[in-house]
Amino acid sequence: QSVLTQPPSVSGAPGQRVTISCSGGSSNIGAGYDVHWYQQLPGTVPKLLIYANSNRPSGVPDRFSGSKSGTSASLAITGLQAEDEADYYCQSFDSSLSVVFGGGTKLTVL
Amino acid sequence: QVQLQESGPGLVKPSETLSLTCTVSGGSVNSGDYYWSWIRQPPGKGLEWIGYIFYSGSTTYNPSLKSRVSMTLDTSKNQFSLELTSVTAADTAIYYCARDKGSGYWLDPWGQGSLVTVSS
Repeated sequence: QSVLTQPPSVSGAPGQRVTISCSGGSSNIGAGYDVHWYQQLPGTVPKLLIYANSNRPSGVPDRFSGSKSGTSASLAITGLQAEDEADYYCQSFDSSLSVVFGGGTKLTVL
Repeated sequence: QVQLQESGPGLVKPSETLSLTCTVSGGSVNSGDYYWSWIRQPPGKGLEWIGYIFYSGSTTYNPSLKSRVSMTLDTSKNQFSLELTSVTAADTAIYYCARDKGSGYWLDPWGQGSLVTVSS
């Protein structure tokens, strides 16, 4: 059972917009800790996609955006492309002094 | 740019100790700016943080693994290491090392990962 809760799967057609939620609690996201997102393409290493809630590392398309509110965060992908099909993980920090991850969300591009 | 590379046995017997090393290039493990993390991913499952070590040698471990985990730093080789004792099949996973800026920050970059299978 992951500390952060994500939907197991989401899907969308090419060109559409999808969102992935990440729900935490008062000891992690709600305590003010930032949320980060990783994209893991099939058979590859997780790659940093969004850091500190809404910032994109160099090279990440602006189709990807993140937000945080209260005890939750969201990743939005607009203009969905086939190459976006991957697993997405949120990550934060918990007051128990642990890095915590969401269980991951599998994005299927229909 | 900083690169990390895991190394170690790919097969460990049940009840024995899993040992992995992460070699850092393009940066120093002796930097006070970063923590050095281990994360694992069982086949077909999600990510689990194992713990991290600071340049001073101080460590923080995932409470669920704390009793079996040990991390060390070798500044002369620019490496950090993981030991996990009393392994079972449930410890079969891809083990990644990564750089972290500390409490609340993100993990980047990551190593390529090392698959460790626990089996007799």
